[in-house]
Amino acid sequence: GQQVMQIPQYQHVQEGEDFTTYCNSSTTLSNIQWYKQRPGGHPVFLIQLVKSGEVKKQKRLTFQFGEAKKNSSLHITATQTTDVGTYFCASYSSASKIIFGSGTRLSIRP
Amino acid sequence: GAVVSQHPSRVICKSGTSVKIECRSLDFQATTMFWYRQFPKQSLMLMATSNEGSKATYEQGVEKDKFLINHASLTLSTLTVTSAHPEDSSFYICSARSGGDGYTFGSGTRLTVV
Repeated sequence: GQQVMQIPQYQHVQEGEDFTTYCNSSTTLSNIQWYKQRPGGHPVFLIQLVKSGEVKKQKRLTFQFGEAKKNSSLHITATQTTDVGTYFCASYSSASKIIFGSGTRLSIRP
Repeated sequence: GAVVSQHPSRVICKSGTSVKIECRSLDFQATTMFWYRQFPKQSLMLMATSNEGSKATYEQGVEKDKFLINHASLTLSTLTVTSAHPEDSSFYICSARSGGDGYTFGSGTRLTVV
């Protein structure tokens, strides 16, 4: 079945440093979604990308969808302590179910 | 924005008992809801898709007789963990699509079976 691989598994950065997480699929994705889950919380939808090569920004967050629609990235510029959490990419399967990547847990040194 | 209310948030039960988890869409109708399970430090694993007025569809490896799903109305889906065992201890989360691009998640239920 469809799988979305996500790297790295963990990332520990100094506050103010940048952070990037990557998602890769062996098959072409119809779309990619990104979610953030704070420790002890539930996933919160951040954004959806649909078009090949699409780039979207939300303040310090930049989301990219690859030209082949098989990979995506989330980049955070100048991390802050509020960015702590696990970031998941996700995509619709053929049955309109959301399949989640393995997640990247971001921790930050103040 | 859209809200999915999930209860209870935490539950501790004895081994062998059953636990019911409810998810309600508060300001929209959800013909479909999804149930996920998340073990510590792991990703969300889809367990089943709940369909209003029809049987749920379960993912491979998920026992439908153990995880009973009922979607009795357009705003309510329930997951019952029957004859719970310690290995069923996990974080259970429901989600639904509210009409926008993303899916709205409930706040989750942390189940501990002792």
